[in-house]
Amino acid sequence: DAGITQSPRHKVTETGTPVTLRCHQTENHRYMYWYRQDPGHGLRLIHYSYGVKDTDKGEVSDGYSVSRSKTEDFLLTLESATSSQTSVYFCAIRPTSGGQETQYFGPGTRLLVL
Amino acid sequence: TQLLEQSPQFLSIQEGENLTVYCNSSSVFSSLQWYRQEPGEGPVLLVTVVTGGEVKKLKRLTFQFGDARKDSSLHITAAQPGDTGLYLCAGVRANAGKSTFGDGTTLTVKP
Repeated sequence: DAGITQSPRHKVTETGTPVTLRCHQTENHRYMYWYRQDPGHGLRLIHYSYGVKDTDKGEVSDGYSVSRSKTEDFLLTLESATSSQTSVYFCAIRPTSGGQETQYFGPGTRLLVL
Repeated sequence: TQLLEQSPQFLSIQEGENLTVYCNSSSVFSSLQWYRQEPGEGPVLLVTVVTGGEVKKLKRLTFQFGDARKDSSLHITAAQPGDTGLYLCAGVRANAGKSTFGDGTTLTVKP
């Protein structure tokens, strides 16, 4: 158990509504990631963070923003949700010890945009 | 263009059969991970391979990293229904700082 929680676990919202997903870790790891998972597309990186207030874009960042004001929390915001953002969202952390790229994933947030 | 190609996309076999799943790329990776994901849960790490030609075994699972560090395979011996799940490979290129995932192989093992 890497101490990762995501909230909410399920959400239904309407097109045009802002949505914020929260990822919380208890281990003080530096690296945190947000992915989306869709059928036939595996996991695609949205944004990631390498420290407080340090974030960068992934391969599918359009329509998403992130914030990390504390080590333990990484927030993903959909400013104006669209139906194409219906997906399962996973947060991950990466311990920096050992020099390997192992990631530990949270349980996911299932988002439905109507 | 998908950086990591996994094959097959779907695999349905009977309990006791052997199988191999492939993860291929034209890029060189500094490390490659295999994850297993069950429905409704996040991916869970199975193994990390780092050295070209490396072979790692995890009970009935054998993982191999290609000599050129561009591809990898996962072989399962005597598959069991508990092996059912989505198998994902993820590669990290040197100095990239982030992983790229394949689209996964969905394995179903029938009793």
